[in-house]
Amino acid sequence: AQSVSQHNHHVILSEAASLELGCNYSYGGTVNLFWYVQYPGQHLQLLLKYFSGDPLVKGIKGFEAEFIKSKFSFNLRKPSVQWSDTAEYFCAVTAVYGNKLVFGAGTILRVKS
Amino acid sequence: DAGITQSPRHKVTETGTPVTLRCHQTENHRYMYWYRQDPGHGLRLIHYSYGVKDTDKGEVSDGYSVSRSKTEDFLLTLESATSSQTSVYFCASRTGNNEKLFFGSGTQLSVL
Repeated sequence: AQSVSQHNHHVILSEAASLELGCNYSYGGTVNLFWYVQYPGQHLQLLLKYFSGDPLVKGIKGFEAEFIKSKFSFNLRKPSVQWSDTAEYFCAVTAVYGNKLVFGAGTILRVKS
Repeated sequence: DAGITQSPRHKVTETGTPVTLRCHQTENHRYMYWYRQDPGHGLRLIHYSYGVKDTDKGEVSDGYSVSRSKTEDFLLTLESATSSQTSVYFCASRTGNNEKLFFGSGTQLSVL
């Protein structure tokens, strides 16, 4: 069964700092990978997804993530964060030939203005 | 947003009582999921469905059951509620395995 590990539960950054949130998954087969974001009081929204092709995927709001198969990782990055990026970020994985979608424990990002 | 509605939005119940949460979607999505969200644990998968009458267990299925008699409805039942099941419950659905999830607004459940 697949599982997801997110390394940092809380991250505090100043505006304009660079962001990298770690995500590692555990599964022996081919996977689809996702990053979701939950702004305070809102639903989860999809930031980006990877299912094949270029391992560097770009999402909304300037976010990108790189799939490194050999490291079972799918880290989220943003070159320069803004106060409005304050939110909780979730990595998720599903097996390509499976139906289950599993989330990590989340990383709470606070950006200081 | 996709048409996913959860009911009730809030519920307070007593330990030992059965509780049913309803998820209704109007998107004809094949896949439906129930998650619980707790601080420090993120979203944990309770049960999921990949078609009418096709369901399977997730990470934290003990004490919960589900049913899907129609494409649009996915019910979550707490057979005998316990205080550890106090949580926010989210329903979600999607069309395919590599497609994004659409979430309902959540149900805040308190078990006293």
